[in-house]
Amino acid sequence: KAGVTQTPRYLIKTRGQQVTLSCSPISGHRSVSWYQQTPGQGLQFLFEYFSETQRNKGNFPGRFSGRQFSNSRSEMNVSTLELGDSALYLCASSLGYSNQPQHFGDGTRLSIL
Amino acid sequence: AQSVTQPDIHITVSEGASLELRCNYSYGATPYLFWYVQSPGQGLQLLLKYFSGDTLVQGIKGFEAEFKRSQSSFNLRKPSVHWSDAAEYFCAVGGQGGSEKLVFGKGTKLTVNP
Repeated sequence: KAGVTQTPRYLIKTRGQQVTLSCSPISGHRSVSWYQQTPGQGLQFLFEYFSETQRNKGNFPGRFSGRQFSNSRSEMNVSTLELGDSALYLCASSLGYSNQPQHFGDGTRLSIL
Repeated sequence: AQSVTQPDIHITVSEGASLELRCNYSYGATPYLFWYVQSPGQGLQLLLKYFSGDTLVQGIKGFEAEFKRSQSSFNLRKPSVHWSDAAEYFCAVGGQGGSEKLVFGKGTKLTVNP
């Protein structure tokens, strides 16, 4: 069974640009969650999508948005990039409930110049 | 809202020594608890989980964890550490509601000396 796939693995952008990250969950998983990981803040929850609907949202500005498609694949978009957005962005999928373990991809490393 | 505290930011042990990583949680009801491990440049891998029942949980790679409700703790243990165990370890707590999010601790980085 293929794991969670995140593309691209590495990305370099400049301030003010926007970026779209992609996540393909494990087949059959309907929930996709996104996290931002930085050395100072650790793992911070961005949002979760379940059956194409945003089910949970963390405390991030509106520049961070996401969506989920009917095949459960998800995308995350960050507009007007800031230096502080440099981070590892992790996607995790699960069957759908919080008691189900989340399976993580290897992340997208985003660097803002 | 639930929260997780991992008191130790960095721990160093010698290969072959025993290991205990601490995790304290805050949650109003019976929590779902998890331990994950992250190697450099990779995502998180699930080590073990606790939902209910036996409070001593066995996981992969020889790890175990014990749920202690009275202490709100879920400490991770391994009797003999291997150099390949060097990584960052994260404790996480989830609620029983289907829509509740998972909350992670800030992690404990483990260094293993030869």
